[in-house]
Amino acid sequence: EAGVAQSPRYKIIEKRQSVAFWCNPISGHATLYWYQQILGQGPKLLIQFQNNGVVDDSQLPKDRFSAERLKGVDSTLKIQPAKLEDSAVYLCASSSRLAGDSTDTQYFGPGTRLTVL
Amino acid sequence: QQQVKQSPQSLIVQKGGISIINCAYENTAFDYFPWYQQFPGKGPALLIAIRPDVSEKKEGRFTISFNKSAKQFSLHIMDSQPGDSATYFCAANRGSTLGRLYFGRGTQLTVWP
Repeated sequence: EAGVAQSPRYKIIEKRQSVAFWCNPISGHATLYWYQQILGQGPKLLIQFQNNGVVDDSQLPKDRFSAERLKGVDSTLKIQPAKLEDSAVYLCASSSRLAGDSTDTQYFGPGTRLTVL
Repeated sequence: QQQVKQSPQSLIVQKGGISIINCAYENTAFDYFPWYQQFPGKGPALLIAIRPDVSEKKEGRFTISFNKSAKQFSLHIMDSQPGDSATYFCAANRGSTLGRLYFGRGTQLTVWP
């Protein structure tokens, strides 16, 4: 079974530029998550999709971050404009969980390391 | 506010020794406590998980101990191996939040041969 795919793996941009990350979840997984992992910290959830609907985006800085999941499969996360503090690894995860099942395993991709100069 | 507090930040253990990582939480609504293992350049991967209705769960060399009254849980790695060198994260969530995982800050484990 193929894992969660993410691209690009690395991205360096200057502040105020825009950037986009792409995620392809495990086939058949209904739930997709985007996490931000700042160096030395644990991942922090940015947004969660169930199929192509947003379930939780309470921690997403909506003034600069946006995400979509077209057709309930692939997803893109965009930052516009980027700030220095956005430097982090952006992780995508997916699970086959059904609503209300908290124990389903989340499978993480390798992440995209973003450096904002 | 850190929902899950993890310690120590780093841990050095000799091969064959026992590695112990501790976590504490405040939210009594949490009902699922997974541990994730992360190698450099990789995403976290589920290692072992526990529900609060049991006090201990063992899978191979990895054991979770859970103390519901103290709101603490810990990971024990028996017979630690150099291949166990990685960053370990504890996490917690509750079913009503549909999967939002709250992660600890991580413990960087180094096992010396």
